Formats: sequence, structure tokens, C-alpha cells
Amino acid sequence: EAQVTQNPRYLITVTGKKLTVTCSQNMNHEYMSWYRQDPGLGLRQIYYSMNVEVTDKGDVPEGYKVSRKEKRNFPLILESPSPNQTSLYFCASSPISAGNTEAFFGQGTRLTVV
Amino acid sequence: AQKITQTQPGMFVQEKEAVTLDCTYDTSDPSYGLFWYKQPSSGEMIFLIYQGSYDQQNATEGRYSLNFQKARKSANLVISASQLGDSAMYFCAMREGLEGYQKVTFGIGTKLQVIP
Repeated sequence: EAQVTQNPRYLITVTGKKLTVTCSQNMNHEYMSWYRQDPGLGLRQIYYSMNVEVTDKGDVPEGYKVSRKEKRNFPLILESPSPNQTSLYFCASSPISAGNTEAFFGQGTRLTVV
Repeated sequence: AQKITQTQPGMFVQEKEAVTLDCTYDTSDPSYGLFWYKQPSSGEMIFLIYQGSYDQQNATEGRYSLNFQKARKSANLVISASQLGDSAMYFCAMREGLEGYQKVTFGIGTKLQVIP
């Protein structure tokens, strides 16, 4: 089954404790992206990757890191989480194309930083 | 300027009626794609419809159609014959830079409630 898998689904952590949210896709997609969703703000792109070892900042990259060592995986790293990073996070993947490339989304990770 | 503007925080529609959700966009890139996603209360993101900037005809997918007015930079979603299951948040999104680096911007969403 084609899917994007995020782990964990729920996480409560303390300020400053490094964490990683994993994202894996099984569709051989080149493009992967992380978003955060906050009430009243919609989804905002954090980082995206066009392919292995190619990443770029989205609109809200501060406080986050990513890496793309393999095509299927695109982990999101919070080196020193703060309460303002409490949010719902989505990973998405899609093929690279000039045409219709709907994004396949993971189920989301609800992160609370206390 | 906002790249994607959805001006309707909430909408009500009677079951079986049609409803239009507004979306305007702003880009200087000639190559872009416009998407609509649905997010039910369960939280998953569901792709509904896509319109490319060079597409001559408005996109349609079942009960969903996209009213694309390029000169006005609008990409409104039309849902015909609304059903109770259409109650959800709806997000308009734009993907720019189709020939190179591709950034994606979402609107803040419209919450649609279908009334029996």
C-alpha cells in the first residue's frame, strides 16, 4: 500500500530535549516536505527536499533541521524544542513533475513541548 | 502579500446544495499548480483537485470543480450536491517553481459545515 508513515503520532516532551520525528515513504517519490499546522494559520512549510542530499528552507525553518540521506526517509529534527514548536506536524511526498503531483500526506504528529 | 488567501473562515451549506469556496493567489512564477485539500475532523489531508497554470480548461473531479480565473488569480472550489460527509476544513495550496525548486504555500483554510 502506498503510504507516508510518520512516527511518533503523539509526543510530549520538555523544553530543550532533542527529538526526531521520522518520515518514510514507499512510493519512490523525489519530493518530500514537512509542514506544521497551527489554528488560524493553516499549514506552513518548514523544509522541503527535491531529492537525496537536496534540501531547502520553507517559510518557517527556524528551530528545525532536516536531512535526506536516503530517498525514502526525511526526518525532522528539533535540536532544542521550545513551547512555540507545539503543533501538528505533517510530512508529505510527491513525484517531481511539472504536472499534477498531488502530495501524499502522513497521518500527522501532534507534538507538545512543555 | 499573502501568497494564498482564503477569506471565508467558515461556511454553511444546505445538504444537496452547491457551495463555492474562495481562493486567490499571488505569484510571479509563470509555472505553478493549484491544489485543494480536505481535512476532516479525523485530521488526515485528502487531495481533491489540481489545476495547472497552463491548463486551458477548468479541472473537475466528480462533484468537485475548480473555477480557475487566471487573470484574476483566483482558484475557487465548487462542490456540487453537498453531502454531510463534506463537512471539513478545506485548504487551497499553490506549488511554485515547477521547473526547479518547488515551494508550497497553503491558505489558512475554510471550515465548511453541511446542514441536513
